[in-house]
Amino acid sequence: KAGVTQTPRYLIKTRGQQVTLSCSPISGHRSVSWYQQTPGQGLQFLFEYFSETQRNKGNFPGRFSGRQFSNSRSEMNVSTLELGDSALYLCASSLRKVTEAFFGQGTRLTVV
Amino acid sequence: EDQVTQSPEALRLQEGESSSLNCSYTVSGLRGLFWYRQDPGKGPEFLFTLYSAGEEKEKERLKATLTKKESFLHITAPKPEDSATYLCAVPLGSTGRRALTFGSGTRLQVQP
Repeated sequence: KAGVTQTPRYLIKTRGQQVTLSCSPISGHRSVSWYQQTPGQGLQFLFEYFSETQRNKGNFPGRFSGRQFSNSRSEMNVSTLELGDSALYLCASSLRKVTEAFFGQGTRLTVV
Repeated sequence: EDQVTQSPEALRLQEGESSSLNCSYTVSGLRGLFWYRQDPGKGPEFLFTLYSAGEEKEKERLKATLTKKESFLHITAPKPEDSATYLCAVPLGSTGRRALTFGSGTRLQVQP
């Protein structure tokens, strides 16, 4: 069974640009969550989508947004990139009634 | 406010030297506690879920236990391949079950 797939694995962007990251969950999983991981702040919850609806949102500015498609694939977008947005962005998928989250390998975003 | 605290921050063991990692939490209405292992540059790998005080789970050299205030990850006779960062997480108390609050992790190094 394929795991959670995130693309791209690495990205370099310039301040002020925007970026879109993609996540394909494990087959059958309908919940997708996004996390940001930095050395200083650790793993922080961004938002969760279930059945194409955002169910929960962490404490991040509105520049961070996401969406989920009918096939459960999800994208997250960061607009007007700042240097501090450099991080490993992780996507996790879960079954509807099970809380265990299975993570992808992440997308390493570097903002220069 | 939900909080998860892990200790120690870093731990160096000799191969075969057993030890325990600690995860203490302050959550109103615990709905599960999760342990993950993370290798450098990779996404967290799911290890265990614990739901109630007194519960124990085992996998190879790892054993996780849960009390009303903390969880322990016991590592018996570790090997160098057990070197990784171990993370614990709990669902955010006031929001969905799949929005996780992570501790800062314990970096484990096992020397041959």
